[in-house]
Amino acid sequence: GAVVSQHPSRVICKSGTSVKIECRSLDFQATTMFWYRQFPKQSLMLMATSNEGSKATYEQGVEKDKFLINHASLTLSTLTVTSAHPEDSSFYICSARDSGNGNEKLFFGSGTQLSVL
Amino acid sequence: QKEVEQNSGPLSVPEGAIASLNCTYSDRGSQSFFWYRQYSGKSPELIMSIYSNGDKEDGRFTAQLNKASQYVSLLIRDSQPSDSATYLCAVNIYGNNRLAFGKGNQVVVIP
Repeated sequence: GAVVSQHPSRVICKSGTSVKIECRSLDFQATTMFWYRQFPKQSLMLMATSNEGSKATYEQGVEKDKFLINHASLTLSTLTVTSAHPEDSSFYICSARDSGNGNEKLFFGSGTQLSVL
Repeated sequence: QKEVEQNSGPLSVPEGAIASLNCTYSDRGSQSFFWYRQYSGKSPELIMSIYSNGDKEDGRFTAQLNKASQYVSLLIRDSQPSDSATYLCAVNIYGNNRLAFGKGNQVVVIP
């Protein structure tokens, strides 16, 4: 089945630094990828839709200048948390849909646990 | 009203019993519905998708959809300890696969 690789799985950083998270579709092309954030015991909250070759679409309340998204190829989207603060500590998950497949199933990456000290 | 609601608290069921989970959604125009299983610290794993009214069975899992009442449910038959996880209801309410998730229901299967 389709595989989405997300890296790193865990990162600890100091407040004020930037962190980049990568999301790759390994055996399919994904023109669209999605970035979610999940706080402990909470549901997944959609942050933004990453579109290959164009600007990302951000959900209401998500700062585009803080959460930079780049989708430069059909298999890679990156999320950069800029000037991270402790309140950004969360579980970040990407997902992708196989552009060449007519079904609507999304495939999720393994997630990145971000801890900002 | 939240877009997708799962209001039940943690559900404890004995091994071999049926676990029943419910989910309601706000957008009457929604067409695609999913149940995901999430183990602690892991990303969600798709276990069922349903698009039409009625029941859909896959192994020990049965999804039920009622668009008129705007609810979707999940039944887990012959529950196993390995079924212990949080189950997330997801609805494609935005179109183009932008899913809205419920907060999840934790299921604990007691051996």
